Amino acid sequence: EDQVTQSPEALRLQEGESSSLNCSYTVSGLRGLFWYRQDPGKGPEFLFTLYSAGEEKEKERLKATLTKKESFLHITAPKPEDSATYLCAVQAGDYKLSFGAGTTVTVRA
Amino acid sequence: DAGITQSPRHKVTETGTPVTLRCHQTENHRYMYWYRQDPGHGLRLIHYSYGVKDTDKGEVSDGYSVSRSKTEDFLLTLESATSSQTSVYFCATATGSTSYEQYFGPGTRLTVT
Repeated sequence: EDQVTQSPEALRLQEGESSSLNCSYTVSGLRGLFWYRQDPGKGPEFLFTLYSAGEEKEKERLKATLTKKESFLHITAPKPEDSATYLCAVQAGDYKLSFGAGTTVTVRA
Repeated sequence: DAGITQSPRHKVTETGTPVTLRCHQTENHRYMYWYRQDPGHGLRLIHYSYGVKDTDKGEVSDGYSVSRSKTEDFLLTLESATSSQTSVYFCATATGSTSYEQYFGPGTRLTVT
């Protein structure tokens, strides 16, 4: 059974204080690892897909990296508008995703 | 943005009544999914569809049924709502052609009293 564990559960940052979120996974035959952002009261918003170890993707202050066992979402010099819950998901052999419980990031001005 | 709408956005219903949630997409995506999101559990797959009239169960399908008679619409039915089905329900779609990232709708908040 696919397992996705995200840590920490919650992260409080000062504006400009860079940090990283972790997503560790156990899956047989990873076909893709996905990062989403979710704002309160809204649906998850797609950020990145990573396919193989060593791959990196960037978008504004966010950078996602992938190893054979985990992925990191690095937030560089965050701003208050980066406050959200970040979800990680993996896809194995079919068309379904398995999601982690998420990391809630709060950035204080 | 995959052009996904969900209706209703909010609903309060009583235990034992049937409820149908609708998901509508305008992107002609092949795959459609229904999830529920609860505190401490994250997103859990209820049912999914890989084509018109082709559906399959997810990890929490008990008490739910789905139908897809057109590419753009995917219906989720709670045959007899229970309080444990109080949740936020999200629909998602995926092209399934070159990649499998899913795009989510705005959600339906369902309360069963």
